[in-house]
Amino acid sequence: EAQVTQNPRYLITVTGKKLTVTCSQNMNHEYMSWYRQDPGLGLRQIYYSMNVEVTDKGDVPEGYKVSRKEKRNFPLILESPSPNQTSLYFCASRLTSGVWETQYFGPGTRLLVL
Amino acid sequence: AQSVTQLGSHVSVSEGALVLLRCNYSSSVPPYLFWYVQYPNQGLQLLLKYTSAATLVKGINGFEAEFKKSETSFHLTKPSAHMSDAAEYFCAVTQGSGTYKYIFGTGTRLKVLA
Repeated sequence: EAQVTQNPRYLITVTGKKLTVTCSQNMNHEYMSWYRQDPGLGLRQIYYSMNVEVTDKGDVPEGYKVSRKEKRNFPLILESPSPNQTSLYFCASRLTSGVWETQYFGPGTRLLVL
Repeated sequence: AQSVTQLGSHVSVSEGALVLLRCNYSSSVPPYLFWYVQYPNQGLQLLLKYTSAATLVKGINGFEAEFKKSETSFHLTKPSAHMSDAAEYFCAVTQGSGTYKYIFGTGTRLKVLA
């Protein structure tokens, strides 16, 4: 089954404790992206990757890091989480061949930073 | 810079009534436009997309949207609402070649009344 998986699905942590949210896709997609969803703000793009070792900032990259060492994986790293990073996070992937290609979203990771 | 405005954060309709969710965009170049649906506790799923092939776009679950350049709009409609349509709907825009960023609207939560 074609899918995007994220782990963990739920996470409670404390300020300053480094964490990683993993994202994996099995569709051989070149493009992957991370979003955060907050009430009243919709989805905002954090980082995206056009292919292995190629990443770029979205609209809200501050406080986040990413890496793309393998095509299928695109982890999101919070080196020193803060309460304002409490949010619902989504990973997505698509083919790079055209911006009109459909993005496939993961189920989301709900993060609470105390 | 691109932007998306969704008028009405909450919309209520009676079952069987017309659904109209509004989306206006701002883009300096021809845009690609998308509507996504998010059911409770799930990721986003593509409803339909405009890629310049046709101004009236038909999507899944009986939804359609019309691209109107003169009004910079891409409103989502469905002739007859069903209880299962209750969800949050997001409009998104991206440019053509040369960019991989997506801008999402703030979302419209649709409630269907029995």
